[in-house]
Amino acid sequence: EVQVVESGGGLVQPGGSLRLPCAASGFTFSSYWMSWVRQAPGKGLEWVANINQDGSEKHYVDSVRGRFTISRDNAQNSLFLQMDSLRAEDTAVYYCAKNRGTGYPRPGPPDYWGQGTLVTVSS
Amino acid sequence: DIQLTQSPSTLSASVGDRVTITCRATQNINSWLAWYQQKPGKAPKLLIYKASGLESGVPSRFSGSGSGTEFTLTISSLQPDDFATYYCQHFDTYSTFGQGTKLEIK
Repeated sequence: EVQVVESGGGLVQPGGSLRLPCAASGFTFSSYWMSWVRQAPGKGLEWVANINQDGSEKHYVDSVRGRFTISRDNAQNSLFLQMDSLRAEDTAVYYCAKNRGTGYPRPGPPDYWGQGTLVTVSS
Repeated sequence: DIQLTQSPSTLSASVGDRVTITCRATQNINSWLAWYQQKPGKAPKLLIYKASGLESGVPSRFSGSGSGTEFTLTISSLQPDDFATYYCQHFDTYSTFGQGTKLEIK
C-alpha cells in the first residue's frame, strides 16, 4: 500500500525556520517526482515545489523561491521541505504527495497524498 | 505564468443531477490537466489525469474532457458522496491549481 506521511508542523514565529519530513512507503520512491502542496485555512490548494527522481531538478512557486528548499533522500525514502524566513502568509496545511508517472521527463499530477501537517506562523 | 479559472465557484445540485464544472487556462496547456475532489479536513483525491484519463478506482460517473485552454469535469448522476469541493490542476514542472468549485446540496 502506497503511503506518504508528513510530520514536523507546528507554531513558529515570523522569520523563523521549520523542516518538514515526509516518509514514503509502498512504492519505488526513487522512480517518481515528489511534490509539496499547501492549503491555507479556508482557502484553496497551492502548489509549492516539486523535485525529480534523483533530486537534480527542483521547481518552486514564486512566493517561496529563495526561502524554501525541497530535497530528498532516496536511500531513506524521504522527502523534505526546509522553510526559512517564514511569514504569516505561509500558515497552511502542508501536504507531501507522490506524482503520477507520465513516461516523460516531467511530473504527472499528485496521485497519493499525505494527511497534511499544519504550519502556523505567528508571534 | 499560467492561471486556471474554474466556473462556477459554487454549484447547487440534487442527487441524480448531471453537473459540469469548467476550467479555463490562460494559455495552451495541451492535455496536462487533472481534476481532484476534496472533502473537509481531508487530502485531495485524484479523479482525472491528463484531461480525460479516469484514475483507477474512481466511479465511471466522473468524466473529463477538453484540451488546449478549456476543460470540463462532468458528473453524470450525482451521488450523496459527491458533494465536495473540486479543483483543476495544470501539472508540469511548474504547477497551478484553479480556485475550486464547491458542489453543494440543493
